[in-house]
Amino acid sequence: DGGITQSPKYLFRKEGQNVTLSCEQNLNHDAMYWYRQDPGQGLRLIYYSQIVNDFQKGDIAEGYSVSREKKESFPLTVTSAQKNPTAFYLCASITGGASDTEAFFGQGTRLTVV
Amino acid sequence: GESVGLHLPTLSVQEGDNSIINCAYSNSASDYFIWYKQESGKGPQFIIDIRSNMDKRQGQRVTVLLNKTVKHLSLQIAATQPGDSAVYFCAENFEGTGRRALTFGSGTRLQVQP
Repeated sequence: DGGITQSPKYLFRKEGQNVTLSCEQNLNHDAMYWYRQDPGQGLRLIYYSQIVNDFQKGDIAEGYSVSREKKESFPLTVTSAQKNPTAFYLCASITGGASDTEAFFGQGTRLTVV
Repeated sequence: GESVGLHLPTLSVQEGDNSIINCAYSNSASDYFIWYKQESGKGPQFIIDIRSNMDKRQGQRVTVLLNKTVKHLSLQIAATQPGDSAVYFCAENFEGTGRRALTFGSGTRLQVQP
């Protein structure tokens, strides 16, 4: 079935470590996004990519990095510069067509700093 | 920057009643809006969308109303069921040049009492 797969579902990070969250989609969507969600709050945009080999900072990009080497993949690295990384991370993709901008979400990765 | 926001963090309704969840948006250039449902620990799921050239759109048990004059969006759920209990987010998208990602509000938790 087509969809978006995020892995791992749960991730634990020691302070000072970088960790990479995986996001893969087989929907043939052009655009992919990373959002952060804190408890009881909405989704905040970290980074987005509208085309392969190109990406843009969102509202809270500091302490994060991304790459978009393949259309299907948009990994997010949470670096040691991110001071409060514990959160629920959601990846989404959207087809590039103007007539359809519905975002499909993965099931999320819950990152905890230990 | 401009943002989308919700007025009520929690809405409690009796099973069988109708629910109305409200959302205010501030970007007058936004031309596409979506309502998402998020269950605990899962990614958001698409419920219904509406474009700015429409005032109302109906789905199965759900209706979205758009008032562009006051920049207000609402989601109406008919005959609310226990399975409707979740957090609901509205999101806006601007599809002009320099297209960007969906911007989400902070969410409203809907609690359905049996």
